[in-house]
Amino acid sequence: QKEVEQDPGPLSVPEGAIVSLNCTYSNSAFQYFMWYRQYSRKGPELLMYTYSSGNKEDGRFTAQVDKSSKYISLFIRDSQPSDSATYLCAMSVSDRGSTLGRLYFGRGTQLTVWP
Amino acid sequence: DAGVIQSPRHEVTEMGQEVTLRCKPISGHNSLFWYRQTMMRGLELLIYFNNNVPIDDSGMPEDRFSAKMPNASFSTLKIQPSEPRDSAVYFCASSLQGRNTEAFFGQGTRLTVV
Repeated sequence: QKEVEQDPGPLSVPEGAIVSLNCTYSNSAFQYFMWYRQYSRKGPELLMYTYSSGNKEDGRFTAQVDKSSKYISLFIRDSQPSDSATYLCAMSVSDRGSTLGRLYFGRGTQLTVWP
Repeated sequence: DAGVIQSPRHEVTEMGQEVTLRCKPISGHNSLFWYRQTMMRGLELLIYFNNNVPIDDSGMPEDRFSAKMPNASFSTLKIQPSEPRDSAVYFCASSLQGRNTEAFFGQGTRLTVV
């Protein structure tokens, strides 16, 4: 079993829809949870990160962490065609690069928002 | 700043040949990461450098892979000899003080070994 599981999709929604992206994980030591967006033929770019449990909001994006269920989510409100990309979750024990800081990525969910 | 710069963007080589991928991190960043991305395995960390010193190379798949960081502004990932199963997109990322929450990725090198 991989450390991080993520449904690869693809997910296709109309413009304006609310999108929910999810990951599950097995390592209860994970404390830092990140979401990356990756456009086609580009490198991943960090969207948001949260520490431990709880919610974090940034504009149309909301990240949720439920450590009791080992489950994280990214919600996109009022989705736009420009949100079409692959979304990868990632997590680590530490936020510092080291063995503990190693990032474990999900395989990514491909999202298409059509006008 | 131009961001993390990788070269070449695309590389096609024959099995058995040596391949060298290059990375220039963001100026001032002292941590550098090499990742490999495939459809089957997703994004995986190969090696992590801090202040030009390899800290964690447990992700390097086998001895055919080697990485160096001779100075703060340049790193290479070498595969010798290359095999078709090495075909993937290789990313370099850099950050300050190894903060993985602030790592910036390059645009990647798409490697095809035939």
